[in-house]
Amino acid sequence: AQSVTQPDIHITVSEGASLELRCNYSYGATPYLFWYVQSPGQGLQLLLKYFSGDTLVQGIKGFEAEFKRSQSSFNLRKPSVHWSDAAEYFCAVGGSNNDMRFGAGTRLTVKP
Amino acid sequence: GAVVSQHPSRVICKSGTSVKIECRSLDFQATTMFWYRQFPKKSLMLMATSNEGSKATYEQGVEKDKFLINHASLTLSTLTVTSAHPEDSSFYICSAGLAGGIFYEQYFGPGTRLTVT
Repeated sequence: AQSVTQPDIHITVSEGASLELRCNYSYGATPYLFWYVQSPGQGLQLLLKYFSGDTLVQGIKGFEAEFKRSQSSFNLRKPSVHWSDAAEYFCAVGGSNNDMRFGAGTRLTVKP
Repeated sequence: GAVVSQHPSRVICKSGTSVKIECRSLDFQATTMFWYRQFPKKSLMLMATSNEGSKATYEQGVEKDKFLINHASLTLSTLTVTSAHPEDSSFYICSAGLAGGIFYEQYFGPGTRLTVT
């Protein structure tokens, strides 16, 4: 079965600084990879996804992620963080049964 | 498009009672729906996968007699927490799978906060 590791539980960045959230996955076949954002008490919003093709994926809200098969990684990046980006971010990997496994999440705090 | 709703958004119930949570795909038909549970400051844990017209498939460790799932139509799945106890208090999130691609894209509902007193 597939699994996901998000090594960073909590990250704090200053507003305007760049951001990178790490995600490593384990899956024997071609993975379907996702990044979601969750605000407190809310559901999940899809930021971006990777199924195939170009390994650099653009998403909403200025986010992008790069799939690196050799490193089993799918890190999320944003060049300049806004205060409204403070939230919980989840990386997920989809498997052959159309089920998804989520990482533990990374909580992003943005300093003014 | 691809909107999923959940009802209720919050529910408080007494220990020993049962609670039903509805998950609806509003503008598409979902052959498959998924139920997740999220503990405070934790990730989502898949509880079960339900396919329309058939029995749900439960993840290991999830009590199927306690968490009853019904997927009676292509737009509605329900999760009933039977004989709820305080340890069942959690945030329950459903998602609906949109078929047609190489992978079911899942669209998530806003979640239901269950508090058992």
